Amino acid sequence: EAGVVQSPRYKIIEKKQPVAFWCNPISGHNTLYWYLQNLGQGPELLIRYENEEAVDDSQLPKDRFSAERLKGVDSTLKIQPAELGDSAVYLCASSLGPAESNYEQYFGPGTRLTVT
Amino acid sequence: AQKVTQAQTEISVVEKEDVTLDCVYETRDTTYYLFWYKQPPSGELVFLIRRNSFDEQNEISGRYSWNFQKSTSSFNFTITASQVVDSAVYFCALSEGAAGNKLTFGGGTRVLVKP
Repeated sequence: EAGVVQSPRYKIIEKKQPVAFWCNPISGHNTLYWYLQNLGQGPELLIRYENEEAVDDSQLPKDRFSAERLKGVDSTLKIQPAELGDSAVYLCASSLGPAESNYEQYFGPGTRLTVT
Repeated sequence: AQKVTQAQTEISVVEKEDVTLDCVYETRDTTYYLFWYKQPPSGELVFLIRRNSFDEQNEISGRYSWNFQKSTSSFNFTITASQVVDSAVYFCALSEGAAGNKLTFGGGTRVLVKP
């Protein structure tokens, strides 16, 4: 069974440019998460979707970050405009059911963003 | 607020030695879940184990074992007879209320196993 797929794996952009990351969760997984991992730290949740609904976006910086999961399957995370401090790894994870069903979260390989 | 602390930033051992990773957590919820994840150099977080707050039974799985103690808010992880392939960053994580809620991670412990 294929795992969580993310693309691109690496992205280098200049500050003030827009950037987008794509995630395809494990087949059949209804819950999707985006986490941000700064160098040398543990990941931090940005947003959680259950199907196409964003049920926890309290930590998403909405002035420059946006996300969508229009058909409840794959998802896109966008930054516009990017800042130097956005350089990090953006991880996508998925789980089989809603949060209260207590399934584990499975992570993709991440997209490493470098803003110059 | 929930918090996870991994005091050890890096551990270096020689192959076949045992290594224990410490994890201390803080939460006000009575229902919570604890996890260990492994992050090899490839970057992908690999799920290893989870425990809920009502299950303090410790477990051994192959070369891995876990020690969950609610009295000290600790969830330690041991690799027995370490191998070079165990070299990675290990993260302890906590979710409150349900396993699918947001994970709060510790800062990670880098394990380097030398041949």
